[in-house]
Amino acid sequence: KAGVTQTPRYLIKTRGQQVTLSCSPISGHRSVSWYQQTPGQGLQFLFEYFSETQRNKGNFPGRFSGRQFSNSRSEMNVSTLELGDSALYLCASSLGLAGFSNQETQYFGRGTRLLVL
Amino acid sequence: KQEVTQIPAALSVPEGENLVLNCSFTDSAIYNLQWFRQDPGKGLTSLLLIQSSQREQTSGRLNASLDKSSGRSTLYIAASQPGDSATYLCAVSDTNAGKSTFGDGTTLTVKP
Repeated sequence: KAGVTQTPRYLIKTRGQQVTLSCSPISGHRSVSWYQQTPGQGLQFLFEYFSETQRNKGNFPGRFSGRQFSNSRSEMNVSTLELGDSALYLCASSLGLAGFSNQETQYFGRGTRLLVL
Repeated sequence: KQEVTQIPAALSVPEGENLVLNCSFTDSAIYNLQWFRQDPGKGLTSLLLIQSSQREQTSGRLNASLDKSSGRSTLYIAASQPGDSATYLCAVSDTNAGKSTFGDGTTLTVKP
């Protein structure tokens, strides 16, 4: 059974550009959550999508957005990139809503490492 | 606001030792607590998930306990091996916020 797949693995962008990251969840999983990991802030929750709807959102500016398609694949978009957006972006999938269940295990992809110059 | 703290931040032990990693959280209204392992440059691998009604979970050489009332969890690793070297993170699924809050992790080095 294939795991969570994130593409691309690495990205280099310049300030002001925008970027789109992709996440394919484990087959059958309907929830996809996105996280940003930086040395200074650790792992921080961005948002969770379930059945094509954003169910929860972390404390990030509106430049960070996402969407989920009918096949549960998800994309995350960051517009007007800033240097501080350089990070490892991780997505995680689960069968049901990870944030509202006592037994949903999250399975993580290997991440997309974004460098903003 | 839920806060998760992991102590120590780094730990180095000789191979074969038993060790304990600690995780504390400020809000006991949680659905579950999950321990993850992260290898350098890679994503997170789920190790154990403890539901809020459970006290502990075991998987092989790993045992995780949960004391919700005191806001604490421990991850016990028996007979450590060099392959256990990684960063271990705990995350609590917060009923109030509907999301997971992660600690900063404990970086474990097991020396042969």
